[in-house]
Amino acid sequence: SQTIHQWPATLVQPVGSPLSLECTVEGTSNPNLYWYRQAAGRGLQLLFYSVGIGQISSEVPQNLSASRPQDRQFILSSKKLLLSDSGFYLCAWSTGSDYGYTFGSGTRLTVV
Amino acid sequence: AQSVTQLGSHVSVSEGALVLLRCNYSSSVPPYLFWYVQYPNQGLQLLLKYTSAATLVKGINGFEAEFKKSETSFHLTKPSAHMSDAAEYFCAVRAAGTALIFGKGTTLSVSS
Repeated sequence: SQTIHQWPATLVQPVGSPLSLECTVEGTSNPNLYWYRQAAGRGLQLLFYSVGIGQISSEVPQNLSASRPQDRQFILSSKKLLLSDSGFYLCAWSTGSDYGYTFGSGTRLTVV
Repeated sequence: AQSVTQLGSHVSVSEGALVLLRCNYSSSVPPYLFWYVQYPNQGLQLLLKYTSAATLVKGINGFEAEFKKSETSFHLTKPSAHMSDAAEYFCAVRAAGTALIFGKGTTLSVSS
């Protein structure tokens, strides 16, 4: 069966520090991968999606970047965090045969 | 382009009462529609999805939703609320080849 792993679960980082959040999927190949951010009262905002290794599409300009170094690995990064980067970050995957997404358990990022 | 509007950011019901969470969508092509549930500090779990088959869709935990093209709606219902239903619910829309677009969410509170 397919599983998605996301870590860490919680993270507290100072302003200006770097960020690396990792997401991996097991049990499927060539998934579409997504990073969403959830801020209080603002729903889920799509940040990045990837349809293949090295292929990244950015939905909104921001202080973050994403990379897909392997088929089932998706990484969200920042060189210097801002207070506004705080939020709940969710990774998700889907395949072309199923239009729904499966979400990871999320990372709660607090920038202080 | 697709969009989703969830009417009511907060809905309160008594245990045993009908649950009705409203969702209206906008899509220039036939949409795929989804309802997700999120418990505190967790990822999103798929409740049900509409993918152009039957217009009345049954999901997990006794929830169902009806696709009404004429009203561009996909409201979520449950005949009898349970305390464990308290959570945040998200409606989402997707067209083939596009990413999932979420509404801002509705928080459901259930009182005894």
